[in-house]
Amino acid sequence: AQTVTQSQPEMSVQEAETVTLSCTYDTSESDYYLFWYKQPPSRQMILVIRQEAYKQQNATENRFSVNFQKAAKSFSLKISDSQLGDAAMYFCAYRRSYGQNFVFGPGTRLSVLP
Amino acid sequence: DTEVTQTPKHLVMGMTNKKSLKCEQHMGHRAMYWYKQKAKKPPELMFVYSYEKLSINESVPSRFSPECPNSSLLNLHLHALQPEDSALYLCASSHEAGLGSGELFFGEGSRLTVL
Repeated sequence: AQTVTQSQPEMSVQEAETVTLSCTYDTSESDYYLFWYKQPPSRQMILVIRQEAYKQQNATENRFSVNFQKAAKSFSLKISDSQLGDAAMYFCAYRRSYGQNFVFGPGTRLSVLP
Repeated sequence: DTEVTQTPKHLVMGMTNKKSLKCEQHMGHRAMYWYKQKAKKPPELMFVYSYEKLSINESVPSRFSPECPNSSLLNLHLHALQPEDSALYLCASSHEAGLGSGELFFGEGSRLTVL
């Protein structure tokens, strides 16, 4: 079975600084998708960024980028120029190709300090 | 329109009550999901509907009964719940279950309290 691990239950970052959230996963599949989801307090969960395993190039979305290391099964999220609105719980998630189930990591709570 | 709408936002019910949670999306998605989320925990999959047919039931107790009347609507019928069923219930949809990147679009959730 696939598992997703986020080793940092809580992180904090100063406003305008950069922070990296870690995620590792375990799978025997070669084709899959990885996601970072953000869940602000009492607000809906939204997709931050996704990565297709067959793509070597790391995904980037504005201030958010990932470091995808397929061999190491690592998928970290870098947030640049952190803003107060980035404060949230961040979940790393995995889905194998043609799979219907998303496997979520335990989450990392990010605080942004003014 | 990229919204998944869930009602009610909050629900308090007794263990003998019957209630329903509703979810609606108008993005033309053909897969819809129910997740249960406890505080400070990740979402746990309960059910997946693909093309209005139940495709995954994660061994959920029968006191939770899902229904997909059409491709835009998803209900979760609740009956004889236990206090430990108190949680945030999230509805999500995706373009097609298991195809493409298949990212999930979530609703804001229905916070359920069972007394």
